[in-house]
Amino acid sequence: QKEVEQDPGPLSVPEGAIVSLNCTYSNSAFQYFMWYRQYSRKGPELLMYTYSSGNKEDGRFTAQVDKSSKYISLFIRDSQPSDSATYLCAVFTGNQFYFGTGTSLTVIP
Amino acid sequence: SQTIHQWPATLVQPVGSPLSLECTVEGTSNPNLYWYRQAAGRGLQLLFYSVGIGQISSEVPQNLSASRPQDRQFILSSKKLLLSDSGFYLCASAPGLAGRDTQYFGPGTRLTVL
Repeated sequence: QKEVEQDPGPLSVPEGAIVSLNCTYSNSAFQYFMWYRQYSRKGPELLMYTYSSGNKEDGRFTAQVDKSSKYISLFIRDSQPSDSATYLCAVFTGNQFYFGTGTSLTVIP
Repeated sequence: SQTIHQWPATLVQPVGSPLSLECTVEGTSNPNLYWYRQAAGRGLQLLFYSVGIGQISSEVPQNLSASRPQDRQFILSSKKLLLSDSGFYLCASAPGLAGRDTQYFGPGTRLTVL
């Protein structure tokens, strides 16, 4: 079993839609959770970071962690064409980083 | 905040030629540094990581090597490139001390081996 599993998509939504991106992880000992956004041919950019269960909000983005289910989500409200990118989830165990394979998102104007 | 530089941005090399990719970090001291290779649809493959000068750990046996001659410099090398070395190479940094739990990435180098 992989440490982090992520649905690769692709996901295509109309502009203004709410987007939900999801990952599951294997080990309840994982402590820190991140979401990265990666535009085509660019390096991943840290988008959200959290270490506790619950929600963390930053503008149109909300990161949600459910440690009991080992499930992490990223919600994008009022999605924009500029949100079109690949989104990677990641976990840090306190010792190692593990990344999902990424979900490709396209927001259609 | 820290900034990660990588060069070159793109590189086309013949099979059997040597390789040197450089990564430098600004805005932090004593970072943990990482080299990843990213293939389409396959996510990030960790190649090497370093917790300090001269300290390199290899995650996958391969045709590549890494060195860390200075605190904020990380180099990825090969003596003879293979076709399978083609890919998008990313350098990442986890900031020193309290910030080690988050990674920041450079802009990447796209390598094509012909």
